[in-house]
Amino acid sequence: AQKITQTQPGMFVQEKEAVTLDCTYDTSDPSYGLFWYKQPSSGEMIFLIYQGSYDQQNATEGRYSLNFQKARKSANLVISASQLGDSAMYFCAMRRDNFNKFYFGSGTKLNVKP
Amino acid sequence: DVKVTQSSRYLVKRTGEKVFLECVQDMDHENMFWYRQDPGLGLRLIYFSYDVKMKEKGDIPEGYSVSREKKERFSLILESASTNQTSMYLCASSPDRNTNEKLFFGSGTQLSVL
Repeated sequence: AQKITQTQPGMFVQEKEAVTLDCTYDTSDPSYGLFWYKQPSSGEMIFLIYQGSYDQQNATEGRYSLNFQKARKSANLVISASQLGDSAMYFCAMRRDNFNKFYFGSGTKLNVKP
Repeated sequence: DVKVTQSSRYLVKRTGEKVFLECVQDMDHENMFWYRQDPGLGLRLIYFSYDVKMKEKGDIPEGYSVSREKKERFSLILESASTNQTSMYLCASSPDRNTNEKLFFGSGTQLSVL
């Protein structure tokens, strides 16, 4: 069975500092995709970043980067220069190749302190 | 931009009522999903549909049914609402089965069953 684990229920970070949100996954499939979503208090789910299992380089999107360590089955999200607007829930998700289902972790609530 | 629209943002129902949650997407996506979000549990898949009139059970289908009569519309039905179905319900869609295709989410329906 596929499983996504986010071990940090809540985290605090000082404004302008970098923060790493952990995500580990479990799959025996060779081809899969990893996603991070942000959910502010408004409830909408905002796509942040994607990493394919065969991608050689770590994905980056602006202040977001994904620290992908395939052998360890981890896909940590790094947010550089945190802003107050980064305070939100963050979900890690995985999708297997040719499957419709997405598997989500339990989420990490990030609080950015001024 | 893809738009996924859920008919209600907040809904209050009585135990035993039949409840319909409606979701419409405007980008001709093949796949549509219903998730339930509870604190500490992340997003759990209730049902998904990969084509008109086609559906598959997710991880927690008990107490729910779905209907997809048209490609753009996917309905979640609570046949007899119970208090343990009080939750945030998120609808999502995606184009196809490729691993790099992300989910597009609606804004969610917060359902309270009294």
